[in-house]
Amino acid sequence: AQSVTQLDSQVPVFEEAPVELRCNYSSSVSVYLFWYVQYPNQGLQLLLKYLSGSTLVKGINGFEAEFNKSQTSFHLRKPSVHISDTAEYFCAVTNTGNQFYFGTGTSLTVIP
Amino acid sequence: EAGVAQSPRYKIIEKRQSVAFWCNPISGHATLYWYQQILGQGPKLLIQFQNNGVVDDSQLPKDRFSAERLKGVDSTLKIQPAKLEDSAVYLCASSGFVFRDTEAFFGQGTRLTVV
Repeated sequence: AQSVTQLDSQVPVFEEAPVELRCNYSSSVSVYLFWYVQYPNQGLQLLLKYLSGSTLVKGINGFEAEFNKSQTSFHLRKPSVHISDTAEYFCAVTNTGNQFYFGTGTSLTVIP
Repeated sequence: EAGVAQSPRYKIIEKRQSVAFWCNPISGHATLYWYQQILGQGPKLLIQFQNNGVVDDSQLPKDRFSAERLKGVDSTLKIQPAKLEDSAVYLCASSGFVFRDTEAFFGQGTRLTVV
């Protein structure tokens, strides 16, 4: 079975500062990893995904994530955040591409 | 390409009443999911369909929740009778089967309030 742990429930950060949202997973098999963003009263939107190949994955809105198999991590980063990045961020894992398991989410608040 | 459509967007019912949610996935997507997202938590998978067959319903409270996907396209999730703890956002998602397209596409959700 797979599971996802998001270590920080809330992350406040000043505008134009860098941010890292942490995600660790557990799985006995190879996994595919995802980061989704959820704006208020909206569904989830895919930011980026790791399926195979390069461990550094670039997504939309300037976000990127690095897959680290030895540390079973898939942390999300952005070098300079904007007010519009304020949202809930979810890390998710699947091993077959069919069943998605989500973390509890990290609320990112960008402070002007 | 049209996204995942859900209706209604909002629903308020009294406990012990029944309610139904509808989902139309992206055309051609064989896999359809229903998730429950309680405020402050991540989405929890309730049921997963592959075409019109159930792949996983291990976390579906079957005494009150039911779901169907007729003809392998649209899906309906029903709660009968509703409890206060069912207040949540119900998200529908769909995914295709091509490896490089692996991701779940989500609808905007239905916010259920049980009073």
